[in-house]
Amino acid sequence: DTAVSQTPKYLVTQMGNDKSIKCEQNLGHDTMYWYKQDSKKFLKIMFSYNNKELIINETVPNRFSPKSPDKAHLNLHINSLELGDSAVYFCASSLAGNYGYTFGSGTRLTVV
Amino acid sequence: GQQVMQIPQYQHVQEGEDFTTYCNSSTTLSNIQWYKQRPGGHPVFLIQLVKSGEVKKQKRLTFQFGEAKKNSSLHITATQTTDVGTYFCANTGNQFYFGTGTSLTVIP
Repeated sequence: DTAVSQTPKYLVTQMGNDKSIKCEQNLGHDTMYWYKQDSKKFLKIMFSYNNKELIINETVPNRFSPKSPDKAHLNLHINSLELGDSAVYFCASSLAGNYGYTFGSGTRLTVV
Repeated sequence: GQQVMQIPQYQHVQEGEDFTTYCNSSTTLSNIQWYKQRPGGHPVFLIQLVKSGEVKKQKRLTFQFGEAKKNSSLHITATQTTDVGTYFCANTGNQFYFGTGTSLTVIP
C-alpha cells in the first residue's frame, strides 16, 4: 500500500558513473517532485512535474535529468556523478495547487 | 531569492517541557505548511495554513500564521519522546521553499 515508493533506498557508486533513481506514486496525484537533502538537512527542490510536464527546474547541473513517462512516475537520472552529489534524494507528490506533499522514503546516494 | 528561515536550529528539552519553532520569511507567503521528519525518515505533512492570523491545533501541537503572512510558529505542549525529529515549515505557493528546519531532541 506504499503511496510514494522510490528505489533504490541506498546507492553507493564511484565518481563518474551514471545512475538512476525511480519513483512511483499510487495516489492519483498530478504533480511530482524531486528534492535534495544535504548533510545539514536542508531540503531543496530540484524538479517539479505536473501531468508529465516540467514546471520547475531550479538551478541544478544539467547532469541531472528528470524523466516522467506518465503522471504516476518521475525518475531521476544522474550523469557523471560527483562527490558533491552525495545526499538523500526525496521524491514527493501532491495534488495541483496548495496541498501537502507525500514524500517517498528517500534514496541515500553516496559517491566515492 | 526568497528564503524561509527557522529558529532555533536545534532545541533540547526535558520531556514534559514546551517547545516552539519559528518560521520567518522576507516576503509575504501564500501559504505555510509544516512537516515533521523523524531521524532517518522522510518529511511527513502535518498541516497547512492559508489565512492571515490563522491558528490550528492538532492535539498538543498549535500552529499559527502571522497577520502579515510573513511568519509562522509551531508550538508543542508537554513534549514527549515521540516528538523527536526535525520540523520544517514550507511555502508551496508559486514557489517551493522549505525552511531550514528545527531539530528537536527530547530528553526523557
